[in-house]
Amino acid sequence: EVQLVESGGNLVQPGRSLRLSCATSGFNFDGYAMHWVRQAPGKGLEWVSGVSWNSDVMAYADSVKGRFTISRDNAKNSLYLQMSSLRPEDTALYYCVKDTHHSANWEAFDYWGQGTLVTVSS
Amino acid sequence: IVLTQSPGTLSLSPGERATLSCRASQSLSSTYLAWYQQKPGQAPRLLVYGASSRATDTPDRFSGSGSGTDFILTISRLEPEDFAVYYCQHYGSSPLTFGGGTLVEIK
Repeated sequence: EVQLVESGGNLVQPGRSLRLSCATSGFNFDGYAMHWVRQAPGKGLEWVSGVSWNSDVMAYADSVKGRFTISRDNAKNSLYLQMSSLRPEDTALYYCVKDTHHSANWEAFDYWGQGTLVTVSS
Repeated sequence: IVLTQSPGTLSLSPGERATLSCRASQSLSSTYLAWYQQKPGQAPRLLVYGASSRATDTPDRFSGSGSGTDFILTISRLEPEDFAVYYCQHYGSSPLTFGGGTLVEIK
């Protein structure tokens, strides 16, 4: 059974940093690109960042570029998101998600974690 | 690529047909259009990818179609469990984008 379990969400002051983690199991983690998607309270979905299976390619939404860094550790089957210079508008539930296929391009997302909540407020 | 979904809210009764629209700001390869369903308090669930391919465990009352800039998700006969929010998504190249969502509510 595929499992994606996020952790690290918290209440943090504007300007501070936070690191999210996603522990995975049930599939060959090093065979798939992985992403972070967020959802502000009561709002829609926003793709945040993606990393290729071998970390060769990392991509970011403009809203987080230069502030967030995605990474993965294939030996630990884990995905990370280092968030810095946090803003109130970064407040959201952050989902860890898996690509459907091993591909040279980004794919649709077939598995989602349950999310970890990040609240940025003074 | 901006995805615009319409209508924002669709009020229908069980058994009725639902037609959800997703319009892209520029032409997409059909290979890279997906639809998701999200129920309150739950993570989204992939329904359709490649514009028309049903994901594993997606009931056949859900069908996706379209090309270029106009895509449709059709639910042939609404079941009680289908009332939810639906999002379309462009993938394939970054930035990946989602539409704003369509709420399908019970009339």
